[in-house]
Amino acid sequence: AQSVTQLGSHVSVSEGALVLLRCNYSSSVPPYLFWYVQYPNQGLQLLLKYTTGATLVKGINGFEAEFKKSETSFHLTKPSAHMSDAAEYFCAAKFGNEKLTFGTGTRLTIIP
Amino acid sequence: EAQVTQNPRYLITVTGKKLTVTCSQNMNHEYMSWYRQDPGLGLRQIYYSMNVEVTDKGDVPEGYKVSRKEKRNFPLILESPSPNQTSLYFCASSLGVTSGIYEQYFGPGTRLTVT
Repeated sequence: AQSVTQLGSHVSVSEGALVLLRCNYSSSVPPYLFWYVQYPNQGLQLLLKYTTGATLVKGINGFEAEFKKSETSFHLTKPSAHMSDAAEYFCAAKFGNEKLTFGTGTRLTIIP
Repeated sequence: EAQVTQNPRYLITVTGKKLTVTCSQNMNHEYMSWYRQDPGLGLRQIYYSMNVEVTDKGDVPEGYKVSRKEKRNFPLILESPSPNQTSLYFCASSLGVTSGIYEQYFGPGTRLTVT
């Protein structure tokens, strides 16, 4: 079955440190891939997306993600964490004409 | 401003009392969807609509109804709410399959508590 897996429901990093949030998908055909961020008491906001073309995708707030077909991964990174990055992050995939499938989310905590 | 709006934002109700959560978008989007968000489960799709008068079940449709009489509105109806429907609900919209653009825009959420 096609699915999206986010490794680590909680991730803590120090302010200024590298942020790495992991996302893997299960599918024989590469899907369209998305990262969304949810700040407290708010809806989801699109961070970045991969459809076709360049595999390194840049998004808002300094985040980027790299699509690696061989690893079926789409990990989210940011070189230097800021306190304002504290939020929940969701990876999502669209497999063919199917609906958007979400991972279970990763809560990012920034340590001052 | 392009947005998806939901009302109410917070709702506490009792078992069996019918309720409707409204959703409206001003972006002329074809596709609209309802999700529920529960801890450890991520977002699960309840119902979706590809266009006016076209709706279909998502992953967890039991206990919910929807309608799409106008392009901008997609209300979620709970005919007889039960405590297991206590959750955070999100409405979302996107341009749709025909556009080739799939990212979804989300409303601010409705936190529902059923006692």
